[in-house]
Amino acid sequence: NAGVTQTPKFQVLKTGQSMTLQCAQDMNHNSMYWYRQDPGMGLRLIYYSASEGTTDKGEVPNGYNVSRLNKREFSLRLESAAPSQTSVYFCASRFLNQPQHFGDGTRLSIL
Amino acid sequence: GIQVEQSPPDLILQEGANSTLRCNFSDSVNNLQWFHQNPWGQLINLFYIPSGTKQNGRLSATTVATERYSLLYISSSQTTDSGVYFCAVEPGGSEKLVFGKGMKLTVNP
Repeated sequence: NAGVTQTPKFQVLKTGQSMTLQCAQDMNHNSMYWYRQDPGMGLRLIYYSASEGTTDKGEVPNGYNVSRLNKREFSLRLESAAPSQTSVYFCASRFLNQPQHFGDGTRLSIL
Repeated sequence: GIQVEQSPPDLILQEGANSTLRCNFSDSVNNLQWFHQNPWGQLINLFYIPSGTKQNGRLSATTVATERYSLLYISSSQTTDSGVYFCAVEPGGSEKLVFGKGMKLTVNP
């Protein structure tokens, strides 16, 4: 049982490059989330998807786009990466009114 | 928006000691979770506890929703308990988790 799987685990980009972070869950959860964690801080919500075909903004959505490809997969795209987007990105999923389960994170550095 | 305050921000213990971590929140919540982030960065679910008391081995948690706080107790601490502990709340009417800034625990042998 893999739970929540994020790819890649590490990535280095140059300013202005684009990339997509992938997330997949095998628990048949309805809701999926993307967070970022900056040093010394808790996680902040970027976007979430309450169900397949729906997405909504979180606390820090600027500079990101998301796609809920199907029930299993929720991707996060950086169209033009900026150094301020250097962070650790976490994906999570859950059933409504149940605990969120997190992936192991993607460490992204933008030079 | 809702504010989540964790205390203390840092704690250093000797192995075998007990500790209490506190989480205060500024508004009513549907749900509350405690997480442990280990030194490898993984977030481990400890408790899902919107109200009441739960226990899991050496760890227990209590949430008093009417007074807007939760406590995490760690008894007989071990070096493997080291890491950062986060409290996260789900405000009423929202599906979104709001995290506190975390509490760094160091347990020395």
